[in-house]
Amino acid sequence: SQKIEQNSEALNIQEGKTATLTCNYTNYSPAYLQWYRQDPGRGPVFLLLIRENEKEKRKERLKVTFDTTLKQSLFHITASQPADSATYLCALDEVDSSYKLIFGSGTRLLVRP
Amino acid sequence: NAGVTQTPKFRILKIGQSMTLQCTQDMNHNYMYWYRQDPGMGLKLIYYSVGAGITDKGEVPNGYNVSRSTTEDFPLRLELAAPSQTSVYFCASISGTGNTGELFFGEGSRLTVL
Repeated sequence: SQKIEQNSEALNIQEGKTATLTCNYTNYSPAYLQWYRQDPGRGPVFLLLIRENEKEKRKERLKVTFDTTLKQSLFHITASQPADSATYLCALDEVDSSYKLIFGSGTRLLVRP
Repeated sequence: NAGVTQTPKFRILKIGQSMTLQCTQDMNHNYMYWYRQDPGMGLKLIYYSVGAGITDKGEVPNGYNVSRSTTEDFPLRLELAAPSQTSVYFCASISGTGNTGELFFGEGSRLTVL
């Protein structure tokens, strides 16, 4: 069955450093992959989408890579700030016409001042 | 610009009671979804709809029902609430035309069944 894995342990880093989060998947060939941010008590908010034929996508301090051979996506936040502290969710499409997404369990990022 | 609105934000139910979680979106989106999120877990799809009058089951539909009589509204009905339905419920939508699946989420409805 399709499976998406994100590191369940929180990532704790110093302000100014680069945070790197990992998303691995198995039994799956998605057309695209998305990253969402979720703050406590709030709904997820879309950050970035990368397609299967794209290696890398950037948006301001965010960078996402997508390696379909390794079945892995890396999500980077450069020059991290305490305000970046949140849970980050990886999601992949089910490759049908209904735009359904399968979500990972998320990785919590803590940025220390 | 309201986006996706869910009500209620919090609710406590007794075992066996029923209730409806309301979801409405003002973006004229065709596709709507209900997810549940348990602590430390990812979002699990309960039901989804590709347009008014059309609904289909997701990964965890047991104990729930939905309807989609209008484009704007997608209520989730819980019949005979059970403690296993204690969770945070999120409604989401996308337009489905010319985009590639960015979901817009509501703020969630936290349900506790005692």
